Amino acid sequence: KAGVTQTPRYLIKTRGQQVTLSCSPISGHRSVSWYQQTPGQGLQFLFEYFSETQRNKGNFPGRFSGRQFSNSRSEMNVSTLELGDSALYLCASSVSGGLLTDTQYFGPGTRLTVL
Amino acid sequence: GNSVTQMEGPVTLSEEAFLTINCTYTATGYPSLFWYVQYPGEGLQLLLKATKADDKGSNKGFEATYRKETTSFHLEKGSVQVSDSAVYFCALSDQGGSEKLVFGKGMKLTVNP
Repeated sequence: KAGVTQTPRYLIKTRGQQVTLSCSPISGHRSVSWYQQTPGQGLQFLFEYFSETQRNKGNFPGRFSGRQFSNSRSEMNVSTLELGDSALYLCASSVSGGLLTDTQYFGPGTRLTVL
Repeated sequence: GNSVTQMEGPVTLSEEAFLTINCTYTATGYPSLFWYVQYPGEGLQLLLKATKADDKGSNKGFEATYRKETTSFHLEKGSVQVSDSAVYFCALSDQGGSEKLVFGKGMKLTVNP
């Protein structure tokens, strides 16, 4: 079974631009979560989608948004990029998202650099 | 809010040494606890988890016990290998269906032959 895939793997953007990252979950998984990983702040939860609905959201500004499609694929968008948005963005999928009984499988991440 | 505090390292050990990575948490309710590992250039992988007090999670020779009285979930391995070199993250998730993980800062482990 194929794992979680994220595209692109690397991105370089300049301040003020916007960017869209894509995540394809494991087949049969309906929950997709996004995390930001930086050296200073570590791993921080962005949001989680289940059946095309945002079910949970972390403490990030409105410039960070996401969506999920009917095939469970998810995208996240960051508008008006800032230098501090440079990070590794990780996507994780699970069958239902309930972490008591389920397991989140992570993709390799998209490395975003903002210049 | 909920938080996780763990040893940050980096730590360098010789092969076959004993490993302990301390992890303590602050949470309301009864969280599930996790250890994730991140090998170079890869995403996070679940190493083990425990969902209630006194549960012991184990995998690949690693163990951790959910200690409610000390709010801890320390990771141990009796004999590390070079292939265990990675970054280790302790994490918790809230009870009650919250789907988000709260992570510690991570600890980089290097094992030398």
